[in-house]
Amino acid sequence: ETGVTQTPRHLVMGMTNKKSLKCEQHLGHNAMYWYKQSAKKPLELMFVYSLEERVENNSVPSRFSPECPNSSHLFLHLHTLQPEDSALYLCASSPRDRDENEQFFGPGTRLTVL
Amino acid sequence: DQQVKQNSPSLSVQEGRISILNCDYTNSMFDYFLWYKKYPAEGPTFLISISSIKDKNEDGRFTVFLNKSAKHLSLHIVPSQPGDSAVYFCAASALQVFPSDRGSTLGRLYFGRGTQLTVWP
Repeated sequence: ETGVTQTPRHLVMGMTNKKSLKCEQHLGHNAMYWYKQSAKKPLELMFVYSLEERVENNSVPSRFSPECPNSSHLFLHLHTLQPEDSALYLCASSPRDRDENEQFFGPGTRLTVL
Repeated sequence: DQQVKQNSPSLSVQEGRISILNCDYTNSMFDYFLWYKKYPAEGPTFLISISSIKDKNEDGRFTVFLNKSAKHLSLHIVPSQPGDSAVYFCAASALQVFPSDRGSTLGRLYFGRGTQLTVWP
């Protein structure tokens, strides 16, 4: 498989549930990102990992917990979410140390919190 | 405060005509600009980019123009095709060093809200 993959593609969860989103990239990149896309809003950067180290936490509530066990995998652990957290969650990857900053996106996970 | 703005949420163009999508930005430190295209149920896919040292970049039917003094860029699609119907996102980047990132530079993208392009036959 090539590119950036995300699972699951759709997720419905209650406010008391715990779930995880998974992202995997097969591009040999060493930087990975989580974005949130809500209706009528621009893409919001949530977290940045570079060489498996978190380098950016963009004021995201603690009910979102990222994990990057290696440069190919990125997780977003979810617990006690709120209905307003319903959105499309996108993962992206890019190479480090490049003048260009082209990021490659996965298809996203459509999350609905009931 | 939004640093990248796409003021037209939608654009409708007839097949064969030119589509012009516009984007404005406020941060003069941005030095690299990208356009992404997004179909429903898919993630954004990279379309074309331009460095701040250029004012034009062309790739087939797609051309991006950059006007640094006006802090404005545009994407021209000619001729437009029905398969071009999608949401187009403008993004801008400024390389920065994240304090905990072992001294390496890593770009951060700032996105506009997107413009829904519809190309009708």
